[in-house]
Amino acid sequence: GAVVSQHPSWVICKSGTSVKIECRSLDFQATTMFWYRQFPKQSLMLMATSNEGSKATYEQGVEKDKFLINHASLTLSTLTVTSAHPEDSSFYICSARDPGYTEAFFGQGTRLTVV
Amino acid sequence: AQSVTQPDIHITVSEGASLELRCNYSYGATPYLFWYVQSPGQGLQLLLKYFSGDTLVQGIKGFEAEFKRSQSSFNLRKPSVHWSDAAEYFCAVVPSGTYKYIFGTGTRLKVLA
Repeated sequence: GAVVSQHPSWVICKSGTSVKIECRSLDFQATTMFWYRQFPKQSLMLMATSNEGSKATYEQGVEKDKFLINHASLTLSTLTVTSAHPEDSSFYICSARDPGYTEAFFGQGTRLTVV
Repeated sequence: AQSVTQPDIHITVSEGASLELRCNYSYGATPYLFWYVQSPGQGLQLLLKYFSGDTLVQGIKGFEAEFKRSQSSFNLRKPSVHWSDAAEYFCAVVPSGTYKYIFGTGTRLKVLA
């Protein structure tokens, strides 16, 4: 299967600062990537769909100005959490669509802690 | 709206015992179906998947799952559980062609020695 890498694996930031999470497809070109969020002891919820070269599509209830998504190349999508607050602390996971497969492939996730 | 239900939040089994984790979905057509396992603080590991064809699918680590269209279910089974199987298990459905995963709430498995 295809390989998706996220960076960093974990990050701690101060309240009010912004943090960027990268999602890379290592061995394929991903025209579409997805960002999910997992609160502690809860399930994963889709936040947004990232399309290369166009604006991201956000799920209902997700603040697009807070969670900035950029998909500037076929192998990289970034999620920037702006003006982070403790309630943004969560596990963020990306997935990427490989056109050669019927399924998407997940990164290993990024644990964000806002203090 | 599409949804996935995992009725059991927690399950405890003894090592060596059999295991069945339940998953029911709500969707008009047959979606793609997946089971993932997540260890604490880790990402998702794919156990198995169903797209079409044989309704009994084999996965890694000795897991299998059976798709039952009439019951809209995709239950995960393992004949003999090992202590290392203790983790959180997620069922997911993907409406065909969307690549958007809808996850169940998860089942936390505890294995007694």
